[in-house]
Amino acid sequence: QVQLVESGGGVVQPGRSLRLSCAASGFTFSSYAMHWVRQAPGKGLEWAAVISSDGSNKFYADSMKGRFTISRDNSKNTLYVQMNSVRGEDTAVYYCARDRLPGPISGECDYWGQGALVTVSS
Amino acid sequence: QSALTQPASVSGSPGQSITISCTGTSSDVGSYKLVSWYQQYPGKAPKLMIYDVSDRPSGVSTRFSGSKSGNTASLTISGLQGEDEADYYCCSYAGSSTWVFGGGTKLTVL
Repeated sequence: QVQLVESGGGVVQPGRSLRLSCAASGFTFSSYAMHWVRQAPGKGLEWAAVISSDGSNKFYADSMKGRFTISRDNSKNTLYVQMNSVRGEDTAVYYCARDRLPGPISGECDYWGQGALVTVSS
Repeated sequence: QSALTQPASVSGSPGQSITISCTGTSSDVGSYKLVSWYQQYPGKAPKLMIYDVSDRPSGVSTRFSGSKSGNTASLTISGLQGEDEADYYCCSYAGSSTWVFGGGTKLTVL
């Protein structure tokens, strides 16, 4: 069965960096685009970034552009997001999610991880 | 990339039907078929309920249906059940390979 497991969350000081990972299993990881979606405490979902199946195309929400970098290692079936210069407003649960269809990006996510909590605090 | 507009809350009694609206612009909801809806229980990951405006993934109850008119998409839940009480989010393609969610709607089953 499809599984997505995030890791790497925790408490990070403002201005520091953090990398989240998402280990995928149960499907051909290299065939699907993957997304990061975040949710601040008590708030709604916010789309953050997407990476194409082969990693050649990456797109970001304006609020993440320049500070966040999405990447993937298809040999390890793992998705990453590097978060630099973190700010208080980056405090959120970060979900990785699989695009619904192999190939072109649809932005419609059929499988989600359980989420990783990132808390930005001094 | 402004969030799509959803009502903060809706409510209904068991057996009734409710509709949640999701209003965007001609740059997102109004221009693309890539509108999806998600159900989220507290502390849980979202679940895809509707994709491509009106299609249901395998396993999702036929009580859930989606539609779109102009810049507004809608999710209708018929035969409301207690287990439907959750938060619901719409999502739309917004052009330039970006996506935008709605602010979310809390559904209360009375």
